[in-house]
Amino acid sequence: DAGVIQSPRHEVTEMGQEVTLRCKPISGHNSLFWYRQTMMRGLELLIYFNNNVPIDDSGMPEDRFSAKMPNASFSTLKIQPSEPRDSAVYFCATCLSAGNEQFFGPGTRLTVL
Amino acid sequence: DQQVKQNSPSLSVQEGRISILNCDYTNSMFDYFLWYKKYPAEGPTFLISISSIKDKNEDGRFTVFLNKSAKHLSLHIVPSQPGDSAVYFCAATGGTSYGKLTFGQGTILTVHP
Repeated sequence: DAGVIQSPRHEVTEMGQEVTLRCKPISGHNSLFWYRQTMMRGLELLIYFNNNVPIDDSGMPEDRFSAKMPNASFSTLKIQPSEPRDSAVYFCATCLSAGNEQFFGPGTRLTVL
Repeated sequence: DQQVKQNSPSLSVQEGRISILNCDYTNSMFDYFLWYKKYPAEGPTFLISISSIKDKNEDGRFTVFLNKSAKHLSLHIVPSQPGDSAVYFCAATGGTSYGKLTFGQGTILTVHP
């Protein structure tokens, strides 16, 4: 298995632009998580899905952030409009619904100028 | 409110010696704990876990100890190897947070040859 796939690996954009991060989970994994890692706040959970349904989005910082999971093999995290303080590494992780071991993708390093 | 804390930002150890990484938690509902290892430019990878019904779990050179009364867990690596140099994250889940992982800030371990 290729593991969790994230794209792009790096994104540099200007303030105000829309940013879309993508994630392909491990086949058969029914839970998907979006995290953000910053120096100040460490690894924070933004939102997670179970069977494509958003379960908890309490970590989403603002309305500028939105996430979707249209099917079991794809999820997006969108920031519109982006701001410099959104600069961070964004990780997608997936797991079997019944288990707690999450498998992380390589992350997307976002820089908003 | 940081529910999982790793108070040591960094740890330096000589090759062959023991590395001890510590983690404290405040939420008494947490009942499952995990350690993840992260190399630069990669996502965290699962290392070892422990359920609250145990006080010790061992996997090769890695042992996790849990002290529920003190709300403290530790990861022991013995003997330490230069390839163990990475950031180590402690994570916890359980109770109303079941399915979600709450991460500590991480500890940078450096193992010197």
